[in-house]
Amino acid sequence: ETGVTQSPTHLIKTRGQQVTLRCSSQSGHNTVSWYQQALGQGPQFIFQYYREEENGRGNFPPRFSGLQFPNYSSELNVNALELDDSALYLCASSSDQGQETQYFGPGTRLLVL
Amino acid sequence: QQQVKQSPQSLIVQKGGISIINCAYENTAFDYFPWYQQFPGKGPALLIAIRPDVSEKKEGRFTISFNKSAKQFSLHIMDSQPGDSATYFCAASGLFGNEKLTFGTGTRLTIIP
Repeated sequence: ETGVTQSPTHLIKTRGQQVTLRCSSQSGHNTVSWYQQALGQGPQFIFQYYREEENGRGNFPPRFSGLQFPNYSSELNVNALELDDSALYLCASSSDQGQETQYFGPGTRLLVL
Repeated sequence: QQQVKQSPQSLIVQKGGISIINCAYENTAFDYFPWYQQFPGKGPALLIAIRPDVSEKKEGRFTISFNKSAKQFSLHIMDSQPGDSATYFCAASGLFGNEKLTFGTGTRLTIIP
């Protein structure tokens, strides 16, 4: 059983650019949640995808968007990057069956200059 | 609006001592309270979780105490070891553990010899 993986591990972008982050969920998991973790803070919920549909969204603007694919992997897209978007982006996968634990990946560190 | 308050921000404990981290929540709809451990460069990993129908849950050296009327819960780490040095986050979600997690701001724990 493989864990949650994310790519890339690090990324540097400039203000105004667009970025796509990727997440492969743990085997057997059909739910992916994305979180933003600013330095020294707890993770903040961005949105969740369940069976390819958005299933809840946190207090983030529409320039944060996502996708979930039939194999349950997921992408987070951020348009018009701002300096404050610099953070660790975490994805967590979980199942709607049995244990409901969210398993986090190692994250993608995004720096916006 | 922060819905889960965590204290202290940082904690230094001697090896073999007891580490105690406290959290308080406001939203009475919360029904699942996990604790996550995060090492530098890694994603958060589930340590232990509790639901409000019990007042205490113990797993090895880790214990959660839960006070539903006060809307407070705490993590106790017994016989603290240098390997426990990490950042700890309390979190809360609704009925199902795979729902949106609301995190506290984290406690940086350092265990000294």
